[in-house]
Amino acid sequence: NAGVMQNPRHLVRRRGQEARLRCSPMKGHSHVYWYRQLPEEGLKFMVYLQKENIIDESGMPKERFSAEFPKEGPSILRIQQVVRGDSAAYFCASSPRQDLLQQYFGPGTRLTVT
Amino acid sequence: GESVGLHLPTLSVQEGDNSIINCAYSNSASDYFIWYKQESGKGPQFIIDIRSNMDKRQGQRVTVLLNKTVKHLSLQIAATQPGDSAVYFCAEKGKTGFQKLVFGTGTRLLVSP
Repeated sequence: NAGVMQNPRHLVRRRGQEARLRCSPMKGHSHVYWYRQLPEEGLKFMVYLQKENIIDESGMPKERFSAEFPKEGPSILRIQQVVRGDSAAYFCASSPRQDLLQQYFGPGTRLTVT
Repeated sequence: GESVGLHLPTLSVQEGDNSIINCAYSNSASDYFIWYKQESGKGPQFIIDIRSNMDKRQGQRVTVLLNKTVKHLSLQIAATQPGDSAVYFCAEKGKTGFQKLVFGTGTRLLVSP
């Protein structure tokens, strides 16, 4: 059973460009979470999605950030008009059902904004 | 607001020693706690968890202790090995229906041969 997959692993964008980060949950998992990690810090929750629904986006910046988890395909975290402060590692986690507390994390996407 | 903090940013031990990593949490409503290990360039890896109705839970070479009175969590690693070198995070989840985890800032464990 393959783990959570994220791509790309590394992404470099210039200020003002768009960044798209992809997450394929573990097989059979329908719940996806996105977290952001700044260097030397813990992970900060961004958004929690189920298939085709955003359940909790309380950690998402109000502007430029969006997330989706379509019926088919991976979950996408989109950052528009990136700024240097967006540089971070973005981790995706998945779980098979809401009351399964353990979240399985992917390897992360390291975004660098130049 | 919610916060999870750690007492020590870096812990250095000798191979074979026992390691203790501490974590303080502030949300008394949290009912589930997890320890994750994160190696450089990788995502967090589940180590062990504990529910708020327990005081202690043991795994393979690891033990988690929960003291709800002082809102303190600790991870004990027995016979620490060089492969244990990583950053360790505690995380908590509240009693609400959503699965948001609140992470601490992490403790770096350095194991010398």
